Amino acid sequence: DQQVKQNSPSLSVQEGRISILNCDYTNSMFDYFLWYKKYPAEGPTFLISISSIKDKNEDGRFTVFLNKSAKHLSLHIVPSQPGDSAVYFCAASGFGNEKLTFGTGTRLTIIP
Amino acid sequence: KAGVTQTPRYLIKTRGQQVTLSCSPISGHRSVSWYQQTPGQGLQFLFEYFSETQRNKGNFPGRFSGRQFSNSRSEMNVSTLELGDSALYLCASSHQGASNEKLFFGSGTQLSVL
Repeated sequence: DQQVKQNSPSLSVQEGRISILNCDYTNSMFDYFLWYKKYPAEGPTFLISISSIKDKNEDGRFTVFLNKSAKHLSLHIVPSQPGDSAVYFCAASGFGNEKLTFGTGTRLTIIP
Repeated sequence: KAGVTQTPRYLIKTRGQQVTLSCSPISGHRSVSWYQQTPGQGLQFLFEYFSETQRNKGNFPGRFSGRQFSNSRSEMNVSTLELGDSALYLCASSHQGASNEKLFFGSGTQLSVL
């Protein structure tokens, strides 16, 4: 069973516009959420995280929103830049569940 | 500080063979996790080692095994390879492996089984 779901395999956005990547989860025990970015031939790199006590976390152009009642989180990138073209994975973990559970990824393409 | 190093970068094997992949974590990191990435499946958790002990295990068959050495370096072994084992195998390290720690990934080993 896929406990973390990214229902959009791909997304194309014009440079300068907002990119919104979505992630849903089913396990109510998850209380820590992360986004990773992956370029081809490289390992994923940490982007931003949020704990369940917050509903928003910002880091420069990147903002993550968490809606616990809907079991939904989203990553906003504003403004989108060509270097943002990559695969984005959301991941979740919970107390006592020390492993990260990853989604299937969304390939973001920024169109110049 | 050097990052997570995985060797080899690429491997080609045939069905039935066995393979060993290696991972050197960031200096000072004691937790090493292994993930399998396949198209459409995302990153699937294999196992996690901490202080030479397997602490967590994912839902993979017993053909997949691993170990960790006293210097925190880790190896992963897959025996009796199947075509479906073709994937990118990623190793990640963290200080303690706590649920709220971010993982640092290596570039992976791309395994092709023919």
